[in-house]
Amino acid sequence: GAVVSQHPSWVICKSGTSVKIECRSLDFQATTMFWYRQFPKQSLMLMATSNEGSKATYEQGVEKDKFLINHASLTLSTLTVTSAHPEDSSFYICSAAFVSGNTIYFGEGSWLTVV
Amino acid sequence: AQTVTQSQPEMSVQEAETVTLSCTYDTSESDYYLFWYKQPPSRQMILVIRQEAYKQQNATENRFSVNFQKAAKSFSLKISDSQLGDAAMYFCAYIKGRRGGSNYKLTFGKGTLLTVNP
Repeated sequence: GAVVSQHPSWVICKSGTSVKIECRSLDFQATTMFWYRQFPKQSLMLMATSNEGSKATYEQGVEKDKFLINHASLTLSTLTVTSAHPEDSSFYICSAAFVSGNTIYFGEGSWLTVV
Repeated sequence: AQTVTQSQPEMSVQEAETVTLSCTYDTSESDYYLFWYKQPPSRQMILVIRQEAYKQQNATENRFSVNFQKAAKSFSLKISDSQLGDAAMYFCAYIKGRRGGSNYKLTFGKGTLLTVNP
């Protein structure tokens, strides 16, 4: 079964509004979670690394004020897309690092459509 | 910085045949992990196989096996007895062994789209 749960799977929002995506590790504690964005027919692009209890580390070119990441507990990280625009429409996917062996598990992903 | 290269954008194989997907990487670390992930049309990232760099023995998971050549920094995936359900995008990925730090992150190749022909 899934070890990382991501919600919602699909979301449609109006331009200018904010939307939150949750990523939960099930049955294990994840001190580190990662957020990716994937464009059609491309690889996963790392947006930021989320560490429990500290500020996220953003990759170059990713607007930290636009994509707010919070990792308030060892099992939950959230990505909030603020003031969303149509160009933010994409597939967003999170992953969590399992302590043993550095195995990385992925959530199911979230399709965001901004209209 | 670490990089992962998949030189085959697309591959095809006949059902029940064997196919090998290539992956090379570059790193200055001695302790790291390598992965192959499968991404079907559903977009769910599924872990296929994992290799620890300090282990010389090649990892195997049922029909999936790797050829890990540490000196050559090569990590190819072999799929035996290919099935229709194996059709997907396959990503090779790397992460350093020591957790934490600014470069603790999963680095992906660009992927190889595998088609399985009946």
